[in-house]
Amino acid sequence: AQTVTQSQPEMSVQEAETVTLSCTYDTSESDYYLFWYKQPPSRQMILVIRQEAYKQQNATENRFSVNFQKAAKSFSLKISDSQLGDAAMYFCAYNNDYKLSFGAGTTVTVRA
Amino acid sequence: GAVVSQHPSWVICKSGTSVKIECRSLDFQATTMFWYRQFPKQSLMLMATSNEGSKATYEQGVEKDKFLINHASLTLSTLTVTSAHPEDSSFYICSARDLPGLAVGGAGELFFGEGSRLTVL
Repeated sequence: AQTVTQSQPEMSVQEAETVTLSCTYDTSESDYYLFWYKQPPSRQMILVIRQEAYKQQNATENRFSVNFQKAAKSFSLKISDSQLGDAAMYFCAYNNDYKLSFGAGTTVTVRA
Repeated sequence: GAVVSQHPSWVICKSGTSVKIECRSLDFQATTMFWYRQFPKQSLMLMATSNEGSKATYEQGVEKDKFLINHASLTLSTLTVTSAHPEDSSFYICSARDLPGLAVGGAGELFFGEGSRLTVL
């Protein structure tokens, strides 16, 4: 079974600053997908960024980027130039057969 | 594209009654749908996986007679909470994936409904 660990229950960041959310996972597979989802107060799950394990290049989506370390089984999310709208719960997720395993989540608050 | 819609978004029912929640893929064919349960400020817990035209596969600890899942078509899956009790109150979320090989939105991606908040009095 795959496990996903997010060790930071809460993170706070000043508006316009950068915050990094950590995520580690455990798997014996070599081919899989990793995701970061955002869940705002509306509770709609929103895909932030995706990384295919076979790709060495770290994924980026505008202000969001990841640091994917396959050997270390680490997949951190960096939010640059934080905005008030980034405040949400963020979940790291692992997928190798379309069944997602989620981490416990990290609540991000953005200070104005 | 790749929109998943859940209905109702919020439901209140009396203890002992049954409640049905629908999950529809609006613009793609979902061969597989997943149902999750989420308690406040906690992660999503997978309850079951449903494939179109076959019986759902339930995760360990989830009562299949309590949470009936039907996936009768490629665009609709339903979750029925039978004889609901206050402890069943929770947020239920569905997600879906498309036909293998078509990969709407990119390989490995699932698409989520808006969620349904169930309150059992």
